[in-house]
Amino acid sequence: GQNIDQPTEMTATEGAIVQINCTYQTSGFNGLFWYQQHAGEAPTFLSYNVLDGLEEKGRFSSFLSRSKGYSYLLLKELQMKDSASYLCAGVDSNYQLIWGAGTKLIIKP
Amino acid sequence: IAGITQAPTSQILAAGRRMTLRCTQDMRHNAMYWYRQDLGLGLRLIHYSNTAGTTGKGEVPDGYSVSRANTDDFPLTLASAVPSQTSVYFCASSERTGGQETQYFGPGTRLLVL
Repeated sequence: GQNIDQPTEMTATEGAIVQINCTYQTSGFNGLFWYQQHAGEAPTFLSYNVLDGLEEKGRFSSFLSRSKGYSYLLLKELQMKDSASYLCAGVDSNYQLIWGAGTKLIIKP
Repeated sequence: IAGITQAPTSQILAAGRRMTLRCTQDMRHNAMYWYRQDLGLGLRLIHYSNTAGTTGKGEVPDGYSVSRANTDDFPLTLASAVPSQTSVYFCASSERTGGQETQYFGPGTRLLVL
């Protein structure tokens, strides 16, 4: 079966760095998304990786290893507004999105 | 209108009643999607539409129907609501079809079926 695994919840300190991991098992692979979702709001796009390596966008970076079926989202210089859920989603061979349950990130002062 | 709008924002519905959730986008996107989001579970696709006039079933289509009469609107209908349909419903769109396309989400409809 197809599956996306990510931790349920993580806690980090304001100003620090946090890495949110995601492992995926999909039938075929056509990329991986990260979305951010604040409580009570809609998911919003953060990143899309289809090639191995690290892609940086300001304080957020996303990494992909296709051979390991693994991705992570790296958040630097954490701010209180980064408290949210982070959703990992893989694209399978039929170009269908397989969503993880999300990681709730709690930022403490 | 900018982006995707959904109506109503929230609704309490008696079991057995019929309900239509509305979704409208003004980005002229070809593809549209309906998801439900439940605590502890990932987003689950209910139905999708690759272009106006076509629809398809997602992962959890039972009890729901959709139509796509034009590019902008993609309503979701619950023919006879049941308590297990209590959820947050998100409509989304993407410029082109395919899971590799970035999806843009509406603000959601919170539905409680009693």
